[in-house]
Amino acid sequence: DAGVTQSPTHLIKTRGQQVTLRCSPKSGHDTVSWYQQALGQGPQFIFQYYEEEERQRGNFPDRFSGHQFPNYSSELNVNALLLGDSALYLCASSSPWGRRFAGELFFGEGSRLTVL
Amino acid sequence: AQRVTQPEKLLSVFKGAPVELKCNYSYSGSPELFWYVQYSRQRLQLLLRHISRESIKGFTADLNKGETSFHLKKPFAQEEDSAMYYCALNAMDSNYQLIWGAGTKLIIKP
Repeated sequence: DAGVTQSPTHLIKTRGQQVTLRCSPKSGHDTVSWYQQALGQGPQFIFQYYEEEERQRGNFPDRFSGHQFPNYSSELNVNALLLGDSALYLCASSSPWGRRFAGELFFGEGSRLTVL
Repeated sequence: AQRVTQPEKLLSVFKGAPVELKCNYSYSGSPELFWYVQYSRQRLQLLLRHISRESIKGFTADLNKGETSFHLKKPFAQEEDSAMYYCALNAMDSNYQLIWGAGTKLIIKP
């Protein structure tokens, strides 16, 4: 089991551009959460996808959007990039919330986005 | 508001010394607390959770609801414990998200 995989690992964009980040969950997981981690900070929750729908959203603007596919993989899209969007974007997968392992997240290595 | 505070950005101790990483939370309901760890060049991973009351790699953490704390402790630090440690809160009415502290970087000196 490859665990959670994310792509790309690094990318550089300029202000105003759009970016798509991809995530494949751990085998057997059907829930994907996205986090933004700025330098020196803890992860900040962006949103969570389950059954191809956004189940909950953190305090992020509509420029951040996502999608989950029938195979449970997910994409994070960010439009109209700002300098402040530079961060490590983490994808985490889990079993359905509310079961025994609620709160146990399996993380990918992240996609480091630099906005110039 | 729900919040997790890790007051120390950096904690440096000698090998063999006791370690305590502090975590305080703000939540009026019944919380579920976790410690996650990130070793150098590795991904973030779960270290332990309060409901399991287990010891992982010699670390323990007790939930103190009176002091709203969930400090991580180890009696004798080892060099391989050097890592970034994050405390996280699952506020059971927060609908599916974890609230994270800013993290504490633990350095074990030889």
